[in-house]
Amino acid sequence: EVQLVQSAAEVQKPGESLKISCKGSGYSFGNYWIGWVRQMPGKGLEWMGIIYPGDSDTRYNPSFKGQVAISADKSISTAYLQWPSLKASDTAIYYCARRAISSEWFDFWGQGTLVTVSS
Amino acid sequence: DIQLTQSPSFLSASVGDRVTITCRASQGISSHLAWYQQKPGKAPNLLMYAASTLQSGVPSRFSGSGSGTEFTLTISSLQPEDFGTYYCQQLTSYPLTFGGGTKVEIK
Repeated sequence: EVQLVQSAAEVQKPGESLKISCKGSGYSFGNYWIGWVRQMPGKGLEWMGIIYPGDSDTRYNPSFKGQVAISADKSISTAYLQWPSLKASDTAIYYCARRAISSEWFDFWGQGTLVTVSS
Repeated sequence: DIQLTQSPSFLSASVGDRVTITCRASQGISSHLAWYQQKPGKAPNLLMYAASTLQSGVPSRFSGSGSGTEFTLTISSLQPEDFGTYYCQQLTSYPLTFGGGTKVEIK
C-alpha cells in the first residue's frame, strides 16, 4: 500500500528555521517525483515545487523559489521542505504528494503538516 | 502562469441532483487537467486526470469533459458523501496551478 507520512505539526517563531518531512512507503521512492502543496488557512491549493528523489532534480514555483528549499534522501525514502527563516505568512498546511509515473498529476497525498508561525 | 477560474465558487444541491462545475484556463491546455476532491481537514484526493479519465476507485457518477480552455466536472447524482471542495489543476506548464475551488454543500 502506497503511503506518504508527514511529520507532526509545528509551532515556530518568526525568523526561526524549520524542516518538515514526508516519508514514502509501499513503492520505489526514488522513481517517483514528490511535490509540495501549500494551503493557507481557509484558502485553496498552491503548487510549490517538485523533486525527483532518484537524482534530486528539483523544479520550483517562482513564487516560492528562494523562500523554501526542497530536498530528498532516497536512502531513507524521505522528502523535505525547509525554511531558512519563517514569516507569519508561512502559516499554512503543507502537503506532500506523489506524482503519478510519467505524468503530472498527484495520485497519492500525505496527511499534511500544519505549520504555525507566531511570536 | 496559467490561471484557472472555477465556477461557481459555492453550490448547494440536494441528494440525487446533477451537479456541474466549470474550470476555465487562461490559455489552451489541451486535455492536461486533473480534478481533486478535498473534504474538511483532509488531504485532496485525485478524482480525474487527462480531463476525462476516472481515477481507479472513484465512483462512476463522476465524469469529466473538455479540452483547450473549458472543462467540466459532473456528478450525475449527488450523494451525501460528495460534500467538500473540488479543485481543478492544469498539468501543461510549470508552475502547475490549481483553480480557486468549488465548495459543494448538500442541502
